[in-house]
Amino acid sequence: QVQLQESGPGLVKPSETLSLTCTVSGGSINTYYWSWIRQPPGKGLEWIGYIYYSGSTEYNPSLKSRVTISVDTSKNQFSLKLISVTAADTAVYYCGRGANHGSWFDPWGQGTLVTVSS
Amino acid sequence: QSVLTQPPSASGTPGQRVTISCSGSSSNIGSNTVTWYQQLPGTAPRLLIHSNSQRPSGVPGRFSGSKSGTSASLAISGLQSEDEADYYCAAWDDTLNGPHVVFGGGTKLTVL
Repeated sequence: QVQLQESGPGLVKPSETLSLTCTVSGGSINTYYWSWIRQPPGKGLEWIGYIYYSGSTEYNPSLKSRVTISVDTSKNQFSLKLISVTAADTAVYYCGRGANHGSWFDPWGQGTLVTVSS
Repeated sequence: QSVLTQPPSASGTPGQRVTISCSGSSSNIGSNTVTWYQQLPGTAPRLLIHSNSQRPSGVPGRFSGSKSGTSASLAISGLQSEDEADYYCAAWDDTLNGPHVVFGGGTKLTVL
């Protein structure tokens, strides 16, 4: 069965760049759409964006100016870069498998907490 | 302020039937399917219902979903203590400033 695992620094300084990678195991990244979703502590879910193995992307308009999602099919990984972070970007970041123009994600990674602080 | 509106809390006693509502607009629920997630404390969300009313394998039949117009509902029958969790609805939004996934603010379900 497909499993997802997020990895990356747990602490990022304000104004710097948040970088995370999601590794897909048990299946090929060359199908489905691969998303990043985040959840600030004690708050709800926010979709960040997704990528297809071809490199096609779609982003949340509220984050589009700061977000880049990329894919490395040779490593079965996709990555998130969020620039110019502030404390408001502190959240648990999840990766998930989904569909084109769909709102279902399954499975999800376990999530990784990223704290923005100096 | 979430695009989809859910009640912040709901409660019920074991064995009861509970419903959670999710209200949206023509650009999201009105024109796309609705998904429901269950999030137990300290864990990642779990897909509960997709395509308005379809249960993935492994999800008990006690969970059901429906959609009408620009609103959707999640029903849990035969409530159990392990159903105590946060529930989120989601839908694709074909908004003019850029299509994207939108979520409800979440409903915290308490089993009394």
